[in-house]
Amino acid sequence: SQQGEEDPQALSIQEGENATMNCSYKTSINNLQWYRQNSGRGLVHLILIRSNEREKHSGRLRVTLDTSKKSSSLLITASRAADTASYFCAPFINAGNMLTFGGGTRLMVKP
Amino acid sequence: KAGVTQTPRYLIKTRGQQVTLSCSPISGHRSVSWYQQTPGQGLQFLFEYFSETQRNKGNFPGRFSGRQFSNSRSEMNVSTLELGDSALYLCASSSQGGPYNEQFFGPGTRLTVL
Repeated sequence: SQQGEEDPQALSIQEGENATMNCSYKTSINNLQWYRQNSGRGLVHLILIRSNEREKHSGRLRVTLDTSKKSSSLLITASRAADTASYFCAPFINAGNMLTFGGGTRLMVKP
Repeated sequence: KAGVTQTPRYLIKTRGQQVTLSCSPISGHRSVSWYQQTPGQGLQFLFEYFSETQRNKGNFPGRFSGRQFSNSRSEMNVSTLELGDSALYLCASSSQGGPYNEQFFGPGTRLTVL
């Protein structure tokens, strides 16, 4: 069963705008990771935030984590057409010691 | 380093048949995990192998099995295929597995069951 749920399921923006994707999860986690997938291909790891961290940055990516609300957000600033992809949050759940994935947000960035 | 490779990339089988998928991890990586991706269920964890031992298992029926060889290459097998097994099967390797090791994904094997 999926432990993470992304919101929105789909997002369409213009190049240069910021894109925000949210993730909620259900159980206790060790960390939460974000991945990108281009059109049915393999996933690419973007960023990992540990359960004791609140915010993390990597280039144009900013991730926040609120363990009290069991939620995370991914912000992509100054988006580019090449950012068009599906984005998945992946909570690493303590029960089962495994990485789980949400349903993903399909992001389309229009040039 | 070469990335994770999966073979074959595409496969068509009929119900009742069995199938074996192969995954070669990044050189030096000892952990291989397998995932199933379908439009309805999303990405679901199948199992993880580390040093030839199954270390973790998701909630899939016994028709799904796997193994890992001494060179860390891994295979997964699905017996008695059902239509619902049609999916993209992804494998991911990491150096040690576990919570803090980044997983590197292969391109996947797209299985179609007719």
